[in-house]
Amino acid sequence: DGGITQSPKYLFRKEGQNVTLSCEQNLNHDAMYWYRQDPGQGLRLIYYSQIVNDFQKGDIAEGYSVSREKKESFPLTVTSAQKNPTAFYLCASNVQGGRAEAFFGQGTRLTVV
Amino acid sequence: SQKIEQNSEALNIQEGKTATLTCNYTNYSPAYLQWYRQDPGRGPVFLLLIRENEKEKRKERLKVTFDTTLKQSLFHITASQPADSATYLCALPGYSSASKIIFGSGTRLSIRP
Repeated sequence: DGGITQSPKYLFRKEGQNVTLSCEQNLNHDAMYWYRQDPGQGLRLIYYSQIVNDFQKGDIAEGYSVSREKKESFPLTVTSAQKNPTAFYLCASNVQGGRAEAFFGQGTRLTVV
Repeated sequence: SQKIEQNSEALNIQEGKTATLTCNYTNYSPAYLQWYRQDPGRGPVFLLLIRENEKEKRKERLKVTFDTTLKQSLFHITASQPADSATYLCALPGYSSASKIIFGSGTRLSIRP
């Protein structure tokens, strides 16, 4: 089935550790996005990529890093520099930016312990 | 800077009535506007996209309007059902880059039997 897959669904991290969240899509979409959602809040854009080997910072990129080595994959690393990483992370993809519907994964809930 | 506002208070509607949700935006004239539905612990699901030259768009029991003068979109669910209970998010292309998709904070809708 075509879609966008995030893994793991739940992730626990100790303070000071880096963790990487996986996002894979088989929809042949050029654009991919990472969002963070805090309880009762909307989605805030972390990073986005319109093409392989290129990505741009969103509104809250500090403490995060990404790569886009393959069209299908857009992993997000939450670094130790992110002071409050506990949140729900959502990955999305679409054909082209804000003019096209976005398809979302099921999310990864990250908790710092 | 670009700002998207949705009613942060939950909306409680009697089953069978029409639910109306509001999305206001400022400092911007987007060419497109999207609406998504999000259930707890899940990724958002696309519902409708409306273009600036379209005043209204319908899909089954859903209707979206787009008033570029008022800088406002209204989202209507007619003959509402308890299964319509969810959080509804509006989204716009980014002001600085149309490659971005920026979301409002969402409005939680509850339909009581």
